[in-house]
Amino acid sequence: IAGITQAPTSQILAAGRRMTLRCTQDMRHNAMYWYRQDLGLGLRLIHYSNTAGTTGKGEVPDGYSVSRANTDDFPLTLASAVPSQTSVYFCASSDSSAPNTEAFFGQGTRLTVV
Amino acid sequence: GQNIDQPTEMTATEGAIVQINCTYQTSGFNGLFWYQQHAGEAPTFLSYNVLDGLEEKGRFSSFLSRSKGYSYLLLKELQMKDSASYLCAVMDSNYQLIWGAGTKLIIKP
Repeated sequence: IAGITQAPTSQILAAGRRMTLRCTQDMRHNAMYWYRQDLGLGLRLIHYSNTAGTTGKGEVPDGYSVSRANTDDFPLTLASAVPSQTSVYFCASSDSSAPNTEAFFGQGTRLTVV
Repeated sequence: GQNIDQPTEMTATEGAIVQINCTYQTSGFNGLFWYQQHAGEAPTFLSYNVLDGLEEKGRFSSFLSRSKGYSYLLLKELQMKDSASYLCAVMDSNYQLIWGAGTKLIIKP
């Protein structure tokens, strides 16, 4: 693994089903983020984690949950998917010890809820 | 509320220069980022400004005026591969990134 990896790349999901999007990074970054990107809107922060063992809510957290059991992994769970959660989901990580450090993004997960 | 504004779409000619503007209103300011995002791909970092002035990096330059809440990204000697969306993001007082919707840049031969 080099950088940050998301799985799956795409998924069609029936409404009401539970789904976990996986995210793994090998850069030893302390901060990780989940965004959703919808046409005409900027990236919107769902949840974040500044360090292993801690998580926080972003701008649009409802319907999503996260965990950060270790530095490398930051899974995002949709407990009961709804069509409004159809979106492209990006996981990102950064070394948050300095504000000028860039965020590195995974390749994205395209999720369609039907 | 917090707001980042950028034009939705711009068109430019190969070999020319284009300036993409970004205005912001945020609770606090800890720097402004520009990212490039090709269709279907992840955003990638282009530049970071925290002090007023121009930062030059090859064909790309980024300018910041904190008093005006304004930044621009300048792309010179445009190439077809520069066709992409350009995202402006501001780091607020909580060190969270606030993102603009992005500017889709179309390069024509």
